[in-house]
Amino acid sequence: DAKTTQPNSMESNEEEPVHLPCNHSTISGTDYIHWYRQLPSQGPEYVIHGLTSNVNNRMASLAIAEDRKSSTLILHRATLRDAAVYYCILSRPDSSYKLIFGSGTRLLVRP
Amino acid sequence: EAGVAQSPRYKIIEKRQSVAFWCNPISGHATLYWYQQILGQGPKLLIQFQNNGVVDDSQLPKDRFSAERLKGVDSTLKIQPAKLEDSAVYLCASSSTGRGQPQHFGDGTRLSIL
Repeated sequence: DAKTTQPNSMESNEEEPVHLPCNHSTISGTDYIHWYRQLPSQGPEYVIHGLTSNVNNRMASLAIAEDRKSSTLILHRATLRDAAVYYCILSRPDSSYKLIFGSGTRLLVRP
Repeated sequence: EAGVAQSPRYKIIEKRQSVAFWCNPISGHATLYWYQQILGQGPKLLIQFQNNGVVDDSQLPKDRFSAERLKGVDSTLKIQPAKLEDSAVYLCASSSTGRGQPQHFGDGTRLSIL
């Protein structure tokens, strides 16, 4: 299973951008990069995913390095509601694209 | 679009008792997953269904856990008999078929074993 490495925790100020890093040096060409987040007492919530190119949606942006060995989740303006655990996960076709969650990054947002 | 529905929301039982959890996935989603999340850890996949067939149950403790997905829609996960270490949140997720499709999670059932 392809592994990812994330910082245990990060802090941000409300209304400022947040860049959450993820290293995945053993990524293969067909691995998708997924980001999920989990708020307290809720199930994980899909944020964004991509394969090779940068991706944008209403929640966030995903910036993928040219060699694909790292990626960054960008929250453009953090709100208090963005305080959560963020998981960076690789999924691959030979394992039916299953998600293997690590311990993620706990994001704290200061008012 | 209605999300993934799970029940009950909370369950307290004594060890060696049995318990069952129910999941109704998003309409049209062929793939259904059950996860176990122990406090302080990320979710761990227990079983993955494609329609009503099992794709992956390598992490399911089959001596006490069982799951079924009749008619390829709703699913139930059962534990019999429960052990103290089964205390966790049990999450159900569903996704449509396709490469790297996102999974949509329910809010889970919090199980406490006394």
